[in-house]
Amino acid sequence: RKEVEQDPGPFNVPEGATVAFNCTYSNSASQSFFWYRQDCRKEPKLLMSVYSSGNEDGRFTAQLNRASQYISLLIRDSKLSDSATYLCVVNPGGATNKLIFGTGTLLAVQP
Amino acid sequence: EPEVTQTPSHQVTQMGQEVILRCVPISNHLYFYWYRQILGQKVEFLVSFYNNEISEKSEIFDDQFSVERPDGSNFTLKIRSTKLEDSAMYFCASSEGEGAAMGAFFGQGTRLTVV
Repeated sequence: RKEVEQDPGPFNVPEGATVAFNCTYSNSASQSFFWYRQDCRKEPKLLMSVYSSGNEDGRFTAQLNRASQYISLLIRDSKLSDSATYLCVVNPGGATNKLIFGTGTLLAVQP
Repeated sequence: EPEVTQTPSHQVTQMGQEVILRCVPISNHLYFYWYRQILGQKVEFLVSFYNNEISEKSEIFDDQFSVERPDGSNFTLKIRSTKLEDSAMYFCASSEGEGAAMGAFFGQGTRLTVV
């Protein structure tokens, strides 16, 4: 099983749509979880951390289900500028400070 | 807004040559990292650096790779004898006192092309 697994997409949605991405991780002891955004040939940019209680930042809502080892990102009212690859990222914690990246889900928002 | 900066943005080198990729992490950050991304693939961890020493490295980070913090601001990745398969985007990142627990901030990357 991959350490962090995502549906690669692409997700093609019209402007204004709501879209959800899912991610699973294999290490049940993982400590920290994040969504990053990556534009084509650019660096990953931290979009938001994901907390067990769920958290929201404007149009973006992230959820974590530790029992199922599952993370989600919901984007409401999609904008053209949301088009990018969304990376699910996990920090296993403990003695390690590395981030483990999923392969990413490509979102294309269309006018 | 503070940011991680990397130079050069693109480097082309011949196989077998040495390259040095340079980074200036965010000034109050304590943990520094190098990641790489081969075209079309996921971002992969190479090495983390804390308190002037390597704290963790991946299987990719073999004897051909080394890191250094030569002064108070720069953080470098050296590849001693480049191979074709080293062609990738190399990202430097840094994070605050809790390591990667709060995520990390990435530079804009150096695209390394080995010919």
